[in-house]
Amino acid sequence: NAGVMQNPRHLVRRRGQEARLRCSPMKGHSHVYWYRQLPEEGLKFMVYLQKENIIDESGMPKERFSAEFPKEGPSILRIQQVVRGDSAAYFCASSLNDRLSNQPQHFGDGTRLSIL
Amino acid sequence: GQQVMQIPQYQHVQEGEDFTTYCNSSTTLSNIQWYKQRPGGHPVFLIQLVKSGEVKKQKRLTFQFGEAKKNSSLHITATQTTDVGTYFCAGPDKLIFGTGTRLQVFP
Repeated sequence: NAGVMQNPRHLVRRRGQEARLRCSPMKGHSHVYWYRQLPEEGLKFMVYLQKENIIDESGMPKERFSAEFPKEGPSILRIQQVVRGDSAAYFCASSLNDRLSNQPQHFGDGTRLSIL
Repeated sequence: GQQVMQIPQYQHVQEGEDFTTYCNSSTTLSNIQWYKQRPGGHPVFLIQLVKSGEVKKQKRLTFQFGEAKKNSSLHITATQTTDVGTYFCAGPDKLIFGTGTRLQVFP
């Protein structure tokens, strides 16, 4: 029973390039959340998605960032024209039901993004 | 918007000492969840509290939800080096995470 799978574990990009982070939720989970964590800091909510729908993207920067969760395949967090400030750990989590139900979130190992 | 604050930010204890972290929300919470993140790891769900005044125990860990459902605490009795990590509380809406308490245990 595989948990939440994120890849790559580490990603290095130069300023101006694009970064694509992938997340496959736990089997049976249709709710996906993305968080960003800067070193020594807490987790900051970015976006909440269900299959083919963005439910809440209030934590995501309006420019350069986008997320999707297609009918088939993993959820993708895409960062265009990366800048040094995008360097962080990006965690994906999934849950069985929506965030307001009493269901815990299961986290992946994260993607550590480094911008040169 | 909803904010969840935790204190203390850091705590260093000697192995065997007790540890407590406190979580305070600006609004009433329908439930609160606690997570632990080991250094270099990812958050792992520990427990969820739903009822006012609820107390739950997991071995040496005791979790409490305040009567007004605006605060919560996690108490660890007789800490061990395996308890090292950052403990986060989280409210339900958008899973707003608290600022976290980083626990360091010295042998």
